Amino acid sequence: EDKVVQSPLSLVVHEGDTVTLNCSYEVTNFRSLLWYKQEKKAPTFLFMLTSSGIEKKSGRLSSILDKKELFSILNITATQTGDSAVYLCAVEASYGGATNKLIFGTGTLLAVQP
Amino acid sequence: NAGVTQTPKFRILKIGQSMTLQCAQDMNHNYMYWYRQDPGMGLKLIYYSVGAGITDKGEVPNGYNVSRSTTEDFPLRLELAAPSQTSVYFCASSTRLALGSDTQYFGPGTRLTVL
Repeated sequence: EDKVVQSPLSLVVHEGDTVTLNCSYEVTNFRSLLWYKQEKKAPTFLFMLTSSGIEKKSGRLSSILDKKELFSILNITATQTGDSAVYLCAVEASYGGATNKLIFGTGTLLAVQP
Repeated sequence: NAGVTQTPKFRILKIGQSMTLQCAQDMNHNYMYWYRQDPGMGLKLIYYSVGAGITDKGEVPNGYNVSRSTTEDFPLRLELAAPSQTSVYFCASSTRLALGSDTQYFGPGTRLTVL
């Protein structure tokens, strides 16, 4: 059965700290791995990763994928209170015919204290 | 089961034209979603629905409208097409609100170009 596992489930840090969020997966017919930030109802897209070892960066956020070990990490440096959110990892896979599927992890709840 | 079906597969619109992207699922899923995917980017949620008659905005709802009159169908309407809406549109469904710890099933997509 396909699954995506995120760790830790929750994390409390102080402003300025660096955090690493983990996502491991067991998925048949892998296509891509995506990271989202969810503050309210709808998640906002952060990164899409398809190739191993190529780091993607956006400001203080960066992410990398290891397709051999089947995991990805999301790093946030110099955290700010505005980084407080749930971070979702999702893996896109082929399902059959013309249908693909997106399997979400449970998310990591990050709380950044002033 | 056909899964999630979308029509049309391709469409070219002129600026200011309107169109409806059709989406249907035969898996009796309550939750349905519309995403757009721009080149090199991941999926961005436009609208979602938790059941017939109930819809809510996603990350990028401006310029779009949806309706959900039945469990099976979730059409997406573009009223005044703009070049910024050139994208690939994916419809998806799931058994529960899959913004965490669930699986969404996707249609094949509609490639829309606005000129």
